[in-house]
Amino acid sequence: KAGVTQTPRYLIKTRGQQVTLSCSPISGHRSVSWYQQTPGQGLQFLFEYFSETQRNKGNFPGRFSGRQFSNSRSEMNVSTLELGDSALYLCASRKGENTEAFFGQGTRLTVV
Amino acid sequence: AQRVTQPEKLLSVFKGAPVELKCNYSYSGSPELFWYVQYSRQRLQLLLRHISRESIKGFTADLNKGETSFHLKKPFAQEEDSAMYYCALRGYSGGSNYKLTFGKGTLLTVNP
Repeated sequence: KAGVTQTPRYLIKTRGQQVTLSCSPISGHRSVSWYQQTPGQGLQFLFEYFSETQRNKGNFPGRFSGRQFSNSRSEMNVSTLELGDSALYLCASRKGENTEAFFGQGTRLTVV
Repeated sequence: AQRVTQPEKLLSVFKGAPVELKCNYSYSGSPELFWYVQYSRQRLQLLLRHISRESIKGFTADLNKGETSFHLKKPFAQEEDSAMYYCALRGYSGGSNYKLTFGKGTLLTVNP
């Protein structure tokens, strides 16, 4: 079966712009989580969506937002980009409680 | 608050030698612990979880609540074990919670 798919794989944006990243979970998975990965901070939790509802949110500013659609696909948006937002953004999906999370290959965002 | 500490950023061993990747955690409740692995140019994937108590690819990890540790061990390292290893914790704070807190990772290199 197809894995978690994230698009685009690479993105270059300018400071002040906004960006939208997309994540298509494994078919049948209803939970999608987002993580930011940087060399300095490692993997940090952004938020989790389940059945179109945000259930958990990490300690990120309001510039970071997300949503989930009825088909479980999820998007995250970052507005007013800063240089420090340059990172690998990972999406993970899972079927339900106490099940394994499967990660996508990530979107590499570079802010210049 | 949840915290995961992996004290070694880099670990280098020779093929056939035992390997231990250290992980310590901080969490006031009853956590669930995981080890994730990321091979070169591959996506992050689950290696094992403490509740399964299984051995995957020769790796084992025992949750020691007294020492708040979840060290990953393998008696005889193989070159194909070279990868980035992340320890992660999931804590429950009432209701559903799928926030994974990751350590900063240990890069394991197994030399021939």
